[in-house]
Amino acid sequence: QSVLTQPPSVSAAPGQKVTISCSGSSSNIGNNYVSWYQQLPGTAPKLLIYDNNKRPSGIPDRFSGSKSGTSATLGITGLQTGDEADYYCGTWDSSLSAGPVFGTGTKVTVL
Amino acid sequence: QVQLQESGPGLVKPSQTLSLTCTVSGGSISSGGYYWSWIRQHPGKGLEWIGYIYYSGSTYYNPSLKSRVTISVDTSKNQFSLKLSSVTAADTAVYYCARYHGSWDYWGQGTLVTVSS
Repeated sequence: QSVLTQPPSVSAAPGQKVTISCSGSSSNIGNNYVSWYQQLPGTAPKLLIYDNNKRPSGIPDRFSGSKSGTSATLGITGLQTGDEADYYCGTWDSSLSAGPVFGTGTKVTVL
Repeated sequence: QVQLQESGPGLVKPSQTLSLTCTVSGGSISSGGYYWSWIRQHPGKGLEWIGYIYYSGSTYYNPSLKSRVTISVDTSKNQFSLKLSSVTAADTAVYYCARYHGSWDYWGQGTLVTVSS
């Protein structure tokens, strides 16, 4: 059972914007960097955002990340059919079960 | 470009030990600065960190799996390995190896391991 909570699904039409939330606590998001991953069907996850809001080389600026307090948000603008995937947030958790943790995952559907 | 590739049996019998190896190319495990990780994903479910190892051999495991997990590294072969003992059907999952430095920036393609008699 993940300590980071994401909505199970979000959807929007092509060209529109979606946001995905990742809710945690002071033991994880509140005091650590957040990263985001895209998992296309049948493939390995791919790093989209690291250190809350940085994009690796090759990731388009349609993808953005932000963090406020104990929550983080991934934004996708100009939604494309190729963006249909599962998205996961990740961070470090400093509680008794310390270690890297992932969010519950969010399925993005392009209508 | 760093690449990771998992290898190992796709079928393991209950109570036996699951063994997987990750071969790293395009970069040296010994160069330091990164933690070499194992992550799994149960069918239709989310991601679960299993543990990671530094090139020096230092390891860190998910407390929920710690009693059954061993991760080792062979810098001469640029490989690191996972052993998960006393497996049950609940260990059936896709197993990924990945490089960690605060985030996972490179991943293997994943390998499905089924636990069944």
